[in-house]
Order: sequence, then C-alpha cells, then structure tokens
Amino acid sequence: TQLLEQSPQFLSIQEGENLTVYCNSSSVFSSLQWYRQEPGEGPVLLVTVVTGGEVKKLKRLTFQFGDARKDSSLHITAAQTGDTGLYLCAGRRTIGNEKLTFGTGTRLTIIP
Amino acid sequence: NAGVMQNPRHLVRRRGQEARLRCSPMKGHSHVYWYRQLPEEGLKFMVYLQKENIIDESGMPKERFSAEFPKEGPSILRIQQVVRGDSAAYFCASSPRDRGQYEQYFGPGTRLTVT
Repeated sequence: TQLLEQSPQFLSIQEGENLTVYCNSSSVFSSLQWYRQEPGEGPVLLVTVVTGGEVKKLKRLTFQFGDARKDSSLHITAAQTGDTGLYLCAGRRTIGNEKLTFGTGTRLTIIP
Repeated sequence: NAGVMQNPRHLVRRRGQEARLRCSPMKGHSHVYWYRQLPEEGLKFMVYLQKENIIDESGMPKERFSAEFPKEGPSILRIQQVVRGDSAAYFCASSPRDRGQYEQYFGPGTRLTVT
C-alpha cells in the first residue's frame, strides 16, 4: 500500500508556464518534506512543512501543507528548464518516528 | 560544510559476493538513515542508526542485510550473498536531530549492480 500518492506521475510543459503537483494521502503526517532528485544523484531537500495550512515560498516555488496534514502541493510559477527533475514528497508519520515515507514521485520536464 | 558522502558511487558484484556500502554523515550529524531505490520504484526506508545503536530496522530484509554506525568511522550497510534483486540505488541520509532540526540530508547514493 502506497501511503503517499503523487500526481501527475509525468508532466511536460513549456518554459514560462505555471504548474502544480500534488501529494495526497489518507494518513496524517506530522511533517512533510519536498525533495528534487536529478538523474544519478541523491534527493536534495527543498522545504519542510509542519503546520496544517502552512505555506512556504522558495523563489518561484510555493509549497502548501493541507489543513488536515494529509496532503501537500507544490506550485511552480514561470517554469524554467532548470526546474526539470524528479520531485518527491516525503512524510514523517509521527513525531519521534524518524523514518520518511516517500511518495511515488512526479517527473517534470520543462521544454525550452 | 561537506555534505553526506557515500562510497563507492558504483559497485558491481557477482551473485553470492558481499557488498559493503559506506556513508559518512554531514559534520555534526549523529543520526544516519539508509534508503533503497529499486528501478522504477520510490525510495523505501531500510534502517535508522545513531552512533553504536540501531534505532529502527523495520525496513531491513530479515536475512543477508546488516547495518552499523560505529563510534569512529562511517556507517556501513552490508549485504551478504548478493542476489540480482539487490540491484538498486542505496542512499544514506543524515540529520542533526538537534533543537528541532529533523531534516534529512541525502548523499549521492551507491548504485549496486549484481551480475
């Protein structure tokens, strides 16, 4: 059973467009992290959200944690070719339980 | 501040051989996690260690796999008598787990190929 489902699985858009990817679960998470992974490399941490309803911005990237802490979204404004990569959400089920449960991933391609 | 280091980056083993994967956490980090990424699958938690202690090994296969994080030196993930199904990317992450900082920072991974 996959606890964190990401959608879409694949997304290919033109440079300059906006996009949103989703991370959904039927379970509550105490915190959720977003990573980006390039081919042949490890995941790179982008952001951590902890509070239900929390919104964090990282330049053109906006991350939101759902009110019930069961889902999250990543919105990219004016996508650039450098945004291409695999985006992963990962949640921690309970405080003190350190292992991360990773989502299925969204593979994003930005076309110049 | 150097990031998490893993070596080797690529490892090829024949069926039945042993594989040893090493992970040096970020400076000041005393918590290490191992994850496995099978081809076309997501990352799956394997084990969580602190210095000289295994805290959570609920994701470790019951046989052939072991992990340690000694007082001195890197963390080691050891796979005995490897089989083709062990071929995967193995990632190590570390965290300081200090003053509310629970983020895990990942290394570049070791890609194990079993022939």
